[in-house]
Amino acid sequence: DSGVTQTPKHLITATGQRVTLRCSPRSGDLSVYWYQQSLDQGLQFLIQYYNGEERAKGNILERFSAQQFPDLHSELNLSSLELGDSALYFCASSPGTSGSRETQYFGPGTRLLVL
Amino acid sequence: AQSVTQLDSQVPVFEEAPVELRCNYSSSVSVYLFWYVQYPNQGLQLLLKYLSGSTLVKGINGFEAEFNKSQTSFHLRKPSVHISDTAEYFCAVSDPQGGSEKLVFGKGTKLTVNP
Repeated sequence: DSGVTQTPKHLITATGQRVTLRCSPRSGDLSVYWYQQSLDQGLQFLIQYYNGEERAKGNILERFSAQQFPDLHSELNLSSLELGDSALYFCASSPGTSGSRETQYFGPGTRLLVL
Repeated sequence: AQSVTQLDSQVPVFEEAPVELRCNYSSSVSVYLFWYVQYPNQGLQLLLKYLSGSTLVKGINGFEAEFNKSQTSFHLRKPSVHISDTAEYFCAVSDPQGGSEKLVFGKGTKLTVNP
């Protein structure tokens, strides 16, 4: 158990809909990362938050957005869903005090299926 | 931009045999290197990481990896595998000089250990 929790575990929805994925980082971690894992693209970095502020953006679509709240949990919002958005979405966290040498701890993921 | 190549998408081996999973990275600057393991239906777990110093890095579960700067490689090895090592293994890099702590992952290598 990494200490990172993600809800829900599974999500089935229809094209055009909007969903929210939730992540609670390890206790004390200030950085939260979102990654998408799909068969064709592999594991891709989406976005990073540090202590409530956006720190870096990767290959995140405009239809996707995220935020980190004062209690440090994070939400990833996916809207106008398309079939190709079906994937496993991981959240990871790290202390945020030692830069890119830090270990990122991954949650169990949310599996999204868009029908 | 950084990239990671995992040369083998699938590696089948017999139990108690040695294994090497290959990873090459592409970067003109120094990087930090990581190996993560993903067991079926689980999140990613850190096996080991190279930050600096000794080029031979020992990790959990008997795995080790060797950093070779001239060949830009970071191959993962285990002298004797067990059935329980069956999983997908991901090599990743992060940039010490970058403005983000994001990880760039390879496509993964599926290790199957057969009895």
